[in-house]
Formats: sequence, C-alpha cells, structure tokens
Amino acid sequence: SYELTQPPSVSVSPGQTARITCSGDALPKKYAYWYQQKSGQAPVLVIYEDSKRPSGIPERFSGSSSGTMATLTISGAQVEDEADYYCYSTDSSGNHRGVFGGGTKLTVL
Amino acid sequence: EVQLVQSGAEVKKPGATVKISCKVSGYTFTDYYMHWVQQAPGKGLEWMGLVDPEDGETIYAEKFQGRVTITADTSTDTAYMELSSLRSEDTAVYYCATTPSSEANHPFYWGQGTLVTVSS
Repeated sequence: SYELTQPPSVSVSPGQTARITCSGDALPKKYAYWYQQKSGQAPVLVIYEDSKRPSGIPERFSGSSSGTMATLTISGAQVEDEADYYCYSTDSSGNHRGVFGGGTKLTVL
Repeated sequence: EVQLVQSGAEVKKPGATVKISCKVSGYTFTDYYMHWVQQAPGKGLEWMGLVDPEDGETIYAEKFQGRVTITADTSTDTAYMELSSLRSEDTAVYYCATTPSSEANHPFYWGQGTLVTVSS
C-alpha cells in the first residue's frame, strides 16, 4: 500500500526556521496537505494543495513540493508551534484513497 | 457554522463490533465527502476510509478493508463507522472529518473524536 514518509522528530530554537519533509512516490501528481495536532486536540489544517494557507493560519507557515518530496516550513518558529505535524495525500489510483504520513514531532525550545 | 458531533466513548470486548456516529450541521450533508481517521494512543493518524453521502459510495484503506463499514444516513445527516472483529490494537480515538468544499476531498472540519477501548 502507498506510504508517506516523515522524519519522527525535528527540533529548533524559537525564531529559527523549521522544515518538515514528506516523501511519497505519488507526490509529483498528487497534492500534499499538512495538519498540526496539539496534545488532546483534533488536527488542524495548516497547508493545503502543497502551498496554500487556510484562513487564520499565520504567515510563518508555508509549503512547497518538488518531485517526490513535500516540505512544510515554519519561518521563525514559536513555542506555540510545538506539536505533531502530519502530511496527507492520496494514492495514484485516482479514487481518493487517502494516506497520512507517520507524523513529525516538532520541538521548539 | 459547520459542526460534527460524534457519539460517546465505548468499551468493547475483543471480537465485538463498534458503531460510531457523526451528526453534522451547518452545511448540506450530501455535498461533501466524510472521512474517518483512527488514532491509537501515542500513535499517528491513520486514514480508514470515506463515504460520499450523495450516493453512499465508499473507499476504504487496505488495512481496514473487510472489517470497516462506513455509511451515511441522509435522513438524519449522520455518518457512521462500524468496525468489526475488534482487537486490542483497535483501542483508539476515532475521528470523522469532512471536506471544506465539494471540489475538495481532504479532511478539514473534524469531529471531537470518540474513544473506543477494547478490553476483556
């Protein structure tokens, strides 16, 4: 079955840039989406269609995609950005079968 | 305002079946796909499947195929996820999530989650 691969953890100091990657064979043809999940809460969409930011998401969150890798970038990470981040996409079959990456724990300290 | 309200926590024995509901409001139920997502304690998000409430068509993740049934009741604007042959590894929070528009198919609006505990 189709898989998306993320690093288990990323650590930065406040104000630094955090980059979280997501690799998958279908990403050249399929959009990547990024979710932030804080402890005990439902996920929140922070990036959709590779690089678009939903209303209400701070400008420091951005996304990009090239080839088989999508990247979530948090420019000037804040302590409140500490959370788990998941990429999401669909497989190449065209039937909307979804898949999440394994998740990346972002530590900001 | 879009709202997804899920049914309460469940405790089930191994081998049993659980059925969780997700009642929606604030939009036309048949316009948007409904996803279901599993999250085991301390683990990541696992996409289980989705239903198109307009015609009842479903797509399931290979991992859950054969054990999961997702349905939509348009008379009550409620989606259901039924998981059978429960085992301890199915202990998890289950979320329903709908898309932001009829042109999109990614989860956007989420329910509050339902904890299912599988224990003998």
